[in-house]
Amino acid sequence: QVHLQQWGAGLLKPSETLSLTCGVNGGPLTGYYWSWIRQPPGKSLEWIGEINHSGVTNYNPSLKSRVTISEDTSKNQFSLKVKYVTAADTAVYYCARGVSRLDYWGQGTLVTVSS
Amino acid sequence: DIQVTQSPSTLSASVGDRVTITCRASQDTSSYINWYQQKPGQAPKLLIYAASSLQSGVPSRFSGSGSGAYFTLIINTVQPEDFATYYCQQTYVIPRTFGQGTKLEIK
Repeated sequence: QVHLQQWGAGLLKPSETLSLTCGVNGGPLTGYYWSWIRQPPGKSLEWIGEINHSGVTNYNPSLKSRVTISEDTSKNQFSLKVKYVTAADTAVYYCARGVSRLDYWGQGTLVTVSS
Repeated sequence: DIQVTQSPSTLSASVGDRVTITCRASQDTSSYINWYQQKPGQAPKLLIYAASSLQSGVPSRFSGSGSGAYFTLIINTVQPEDFATYYCQQTYVIPRTFGQGTKLEIK
């Protein structure tokens, strides 16, 4: 059974860099796409971007200039970085497996941006 | 971007009811539509993919249909554990957008 475990800092100041990692347990990283999604408090879901096992990435154009998704196949994990965060980046961030469908999700990490 | 609009935003139902949630896209998405269920404090859970395919382990009272730009999620015989928020998502183009959600409440 595939299980995604995510971790990273939950409190940031404006202009800092958000950094989250998602570890994949019970299955391989290779052969799949892996995605990041976020959800501001009380709001809907926003797709951030995706990466496949070859390192090919796609990003939401609204975030593309600040976002980097990378992978470490040796550790079976992938990561998200968002530069120059503001209060508008406050959200629960999820990692997930897939692109045409998101079938396994991490537990979510609340990231709060506050001075 | 493809805009995805769900209706209604809130739906009140009783246990045993049959409910329908609709998802309308601003352009053709072929059948690249998924449906997710989210309960408070939890990650979304995939229910239906490719418009009408039931994800493994999901009860058969959930079904999806539609094509092009209009899709529906039906829950036959609503159960107490079904009261949650439901989201549709298009994965036809980037960015892969979600609807605003439909909250299914107990009447």
